[in-house]
Amino acid sequence: DTAVSQTPKYLVTQMGNDKSIKCEQNLGHDTMYWYKQDSKKFLKIMFSYNNKELIINETVPNRFSPKSPDKAHLNLHINSLELGDSAVYFCASSWRDRAPQETQYFGPGTRLLVL
Amino acid sequence: KNEVEQSPQNLTAQEGEFITINCSYSVGISALHWLQQHPGGGIVSLFMLSSGKKKHGRLIATINIQEKHSSLHITASHPRDSAVYICAVKWWRGGADGLTFGKGTHLIIQP
Repeated sequence: DTAVSQTPKYLVTQMGNDKSIKCEQNLGHDTMYWYKQDSKKFLKIMFSYNNKELIINETVPNRFSPKSPDKAHLNLHINSLELGDSAVYFCASSWRDRAPQETQYFGPGTRLLVL
Repeated sequence: KNEVEQSPQNLTAQEGEFITINCSYSVGISALHWLQQHPGGGIVSLFMLSSGKKKHGRLIATINIQEKHSSLHITASHPRDSAVYICAVKWWRGGADGLTFGKGTHLIIQP
């Protein structure tokens, strides 16, 4: 059973298009995250949601809009895609209120290429 | 803002060698996370620790909170250990946690 799943795995699209990436976790976690890994392989947090509430938005352009229909899902919608949006996007989940040692579980990543 | 520095950036070693990867951070954290990213891109959590030492198989992670430093050790290294190892510090803000990542250490173990 996949703990954290993302779709699609690969996404190739034209500049200016709008696209969505879906994330689902079946671990019962109450917190979900989106991370971006750029071409230099550097990971950076984009958003964090706890119980469907946006907790962290790390200076991400408002073209990026996360949506959490329920605790198990955190989707990422991107409007007016730009070349610089090309990256690998990772979803992750964890417990918020457990001990600090509680780890995060990562999805397999979505490789986005904007042409 | 928490800066996370890893060293070395790249490391090539022979099979069987003892490997050490270091991570330093600048401000207080709630925990530190070691991740492994395989050549195929998937990310796996190795350890999350807030004090002391943890061991899993041939992997050992230590953290010194006072010195703001953590190390990841691999004993009897094997080519399958070849991957990027990423240190991330967990912080608490605004009611939830997040992670600030180091730039990773690219490890190659040669047979």
